[in-house]
Amino acid sequence: AQSVTQLGSHVSVSEGALVLLRCNYSSSVPPYLFWYVQYPNQGLQLLLKYTTGATLVKGINGFEAEFKKSETSFHLTKPSAHMSDAAEYFCAVSDLGGYKLSFGAGTTVTVRA
Amino acid sequence: GAGVSQSPSNKVTEKGKDVELRCDPISGHTALYWYRQSLGQGLEFLIYFQGNSAPDKSGLPSDRFSAERTGGSVSTLTIQRTQQEDSAVYLCASSLRGSGGADGELFFGEGSRLTVL
Repeated sequence: AQSVTQLGSHVSVSEGALVLLRCNYSSSVPPYLFWYVQYPNQGLQLLLKYTTGATLVKGINGFEAEFKKSETSFHLTKPSAHMSDAAEYFCAVSDLGGYKLSFGAGTTVTVRA
Repeated sequence: GAGVSQSPSNKVTEKGKDVELRCDPISGHTALYWYRQSLGQGLEFLIYFQGNSAPDKSGLPSDRFSAERTGGSVSTLTIQRTQQEDSAVYLCASSLRGSGGADGELFFGEGSRLTVL
């Protein structure tokens, strides 16, 4: 069974600063990894995903994440935060070919002017 | 519509009452999921429908919870004899293919916020 741990339920950054959201997973088989974002009063939307191939994955809105198998991590970064990045971010994992996503508890990002 | 539609967006009910939550997935999406989002606890998988296959009900927390999907499209999640711990946001998602998990592209609705008094 897969599981996801997101370190830090809340992250506060200054506008223009680096955003780093940490995600560690456990999976008995090679995983597929995802980051979803949820803006206030909206549904979740896919930011980026890792399935196979290049371990550095680029997503929408300037976000990227790197799959590190040795560290069982899939941390999300953005070099320069924007006010519009304030949202809740969820890391998720599924087994190869599986259909169920297991989500982390989420990290709420606030951006200070 | 273009996206996943859920209704009602908000529901307040008294303990012991039954509630029905509706989900209208994106046209052509064969897979449909229900998740529950509780404060500070992430998303909890409830049930998965794929075409005409038997649904995966492994995430339903008790026999008070049930769901159906009619005609491979609209789905209804029913909670009988609601309890206060059922208060949460219930999210519906659909995906184009049955391997929604492998593909990762789940399209979520805005959710139905249930409050049980």
